[in-house]
Amino acid sequence: GAGVSQTPSNKVTEKGKYVELRCDPISGHTALYWYRQSLGQGPEFLIYFQGTGAADDSGLPNDRFFAVRPEGSVSTLKIQRTERGDSAVYLCASSPGFTANYGYTFGSGTRLTVV
Amino acid sequence: AQTVTQSQPEMSVQEAETVTLSCTYDTSESDYYLFWYKQPPSRQMILVIRQEAYKQQNATENRFSVNFQKAAKSFSLKISDSQLGDAAMYFCAYRSYGGATNKLIFGTGTLLAVQP
Repeated sequence: GAGVSQTPSNKVTEKGKYVELRCDPISGHTALYWYRQSLGQGPEFLIYFQGTGAADDSGLPNDRFFAVRPEGSVSTLKIQRTERGDSAVYLCASSPGFTANYGYTFGSGTRLTVV
Repeated sequence: AQTVTQSQPEMSVQEAETVTLSCTYDTSESDYYLFWYKQPPSRQMILVIRQEAYKQQNATENRFSVNFQKAAKSFSLKISDSQLGDAAMYFCAYRSYGGATNKLIFGTGTLLAVQP
């Protein structure tokens, strides 16, 4: 596609429920990143994929968070047993490759609200 | 670990005037990249300008320029001839050179208002 697409745009869920957030990167982009942006804060790194594999998941806050990218394109961020503290905007970004010369393209994010 | 600090939560500028947004960072690395991103209400992060630490010349993109002071670890953004469309959150970000992930480390942002 022309840009990075994230769905849904907004998601409201009840505490304790399971949610999936989807990211559709720019076609051909091999690198994909997930960030979490809490209210009044800058985005914080969660996980990085190079192709199908998670090359760095050091930013995932705990084992309730998991992400996959099975075919090296679309990625899904999965959150189990959601808590009110998980409420945030989840941003996805993609890049043509790994090297630092490549810039990111961000999506418009999914705003997750846990009630 | 690297950190990025933006000490101005909010700034305001008159249309057509110039404004400077501040950013400081902490790192022990010698090679890295610095960025300014704009985030309008649409939430999409848009790259404004980028600076490679090994370059002494300050980056410029049209009305946007930076003042990069490597020794002071300072990276300010100057917006000239401000326009109403410049109103947004602005984030300063750091990225290691040759790091394992190329992840970005962001500051807390500065909300810029442009007064007509």
